[in-house]
Amino acid sequence: GAVVSQHPSRVICKSGTSVKIECRSLDFQATTMFWYRQFPKQSLMLMATSNEGSKATYEQGVEKDKFLINHASLTLSTLTVTSAHPEDSSFYICSAREPQPGNSPLHFGNGTRLTVT
Amino acid sequence: KQEVTQIPAALSVPEGENLVLNCSFTDSAIYNLQWFRQDPGKGLTSLLLIQSSQREQTSGRLNASLDKSSGRSTLYIAASQPGDSATYLCAVPETSGSRLTFGEGTQLTVNP
Repeated sequence: GAVVSQHPSRVICKSGTSVKIECRSLDFQATTMFWYRQFPKQSLMLMATSNEGSKATYEQGVEKDKFLINHASLTLSTLTVTSAHPEDSSFYICSAREPQPGNSPLHFGNGTRLTVT
Repeated sequence: KQEVTQIPAALSVPEGENLVLNCSFTDSAIYNLQWFRQDPGKGLTSLLLIQSSQREQTSGRLNASLDKSSGRSTLYIAASQPGDSATYLCAVPETSGSRLTFGEGTQLTVNP
């Protein structure tokens, strides 16, 4: 079945540094990927939609300059948290949809636990 | 704006019980509905996807139903096992291929 790989699974960084998270579709091409954020015991909150070859679409309230998204190929999207602060500590999850006719399932990566100290 | 609600928020049952998780949505104009499972500290695993034209989908001990007109879906788990313990999330896309709106999830604990 379709697999979405996310790396790293855990990262600890110091305040003020930047962190890059990768999301790869391993056995299918994804023109669109989605980035979510999840706080403890809460559901997923969509941050942005990543479009291959064009700019990402950000949800209201999400800072574009803070969360940089690059979707340079059909199998890779990256999320860079710039100048990270402790309040950016969270669980980040990416997802991608198989390019099948009709409404295909959305597949998720295993998430990245970011801790900013 | 679509809103998705899941009841109950948490459920604890003894092993072997059959159980039902509920999901409701406010806008019935959905393309499909997807049920996911999330283990602690992990991403989401897709369990079942029901297209808007379907009434139910089955996979092993799992059966998901969809009633668009009433804005409801249920996930039925037969003969529950401790390994079923996880958070179960339902989600609907706003339009075909678009982003998902998630419910808050039901945290299931199956006790041995």
